[in-house]
Amino acid sequence: QLQLQESGPGLVKPSETLSLTCTVSGGSINNSSYYWGWIRQPPGKGLEWIGNIYYSGTTYYNPSLKSRVTISVDTSKNQFSLNLSSVTAADTAVYYCARVWIPFVRPWGQGTLVTVSS
Amino acid sequence: EIVLTQSPGTLSLSPGERATLSCRASQSFSRSFLVWYQQKPGQAPRLLIYGATSRATGVPDRFSGSGSGTDFTLTISRLEPEDFVVYYCQQYGSSLYTFGQGTKLEIK
Repeated sequence: QLQLQESGPGLVKPSETLSLTCTVSGGSINNSSYYWGWIRQPPGKGLEWIGNIYYSGTTYYNPSLKSRVTISVDTSKNQFSLNLSSVTAADTAVYYCARVWIPFVRPWGQGTLVTVSS
Repeated sequence: EIVLTQSPGTLSLSPGERATLSCRASQSFSRSFLVWYQQKPGQAPRLLIYGATSRATGVPDRFSGSGSGTDFTLTISRLEPEDFVVYYCQQYGSSLYTFGQGTKLEIK
């Protein structure tokens, strides 16, 4: 059964870069059938898609975040990563990694809360 | 970019009643690309419906989806206590994924 686990700092200072890694277990990230993605959810609010990456490295980003987002993949470690630069308090959220099909997302990681604060 | 608007924001009903949740899009798209999720407190969303009408594996048949074009509906035929949580619609198009703002189902 495929499982995903987010890891990274729970606290990031304003203007710095948020960095998270998702480790995939129970299956290979090297699969042409789907993407790997990041979605976030501010406390008490709705879901926002951040972006996807294909195993080959092709990326797709939310236009509203594109200038600050980089998603990368490391197939040797079965991991993919998120970098979000120049963060502000508005970037405080639970960040989920997930396997992304067309058109749906499943499964999801358990999520990790990242707080932006000095 | 297509915007999804869910209504109502909060729906108050009693167990055993029928729930009808709406998801309206700013422009028409293929029903193949409309998805519904359920999210319980402290958990990641769970896939309920994809392709507007197809139930995901393990989803009870009291959940059903319908609609086309710009108007889509999630119906829960007889509400169980565990159904009183938040529901999101989501759309795929042009390599982008967008979510509605969610509908919270609460016990009346």
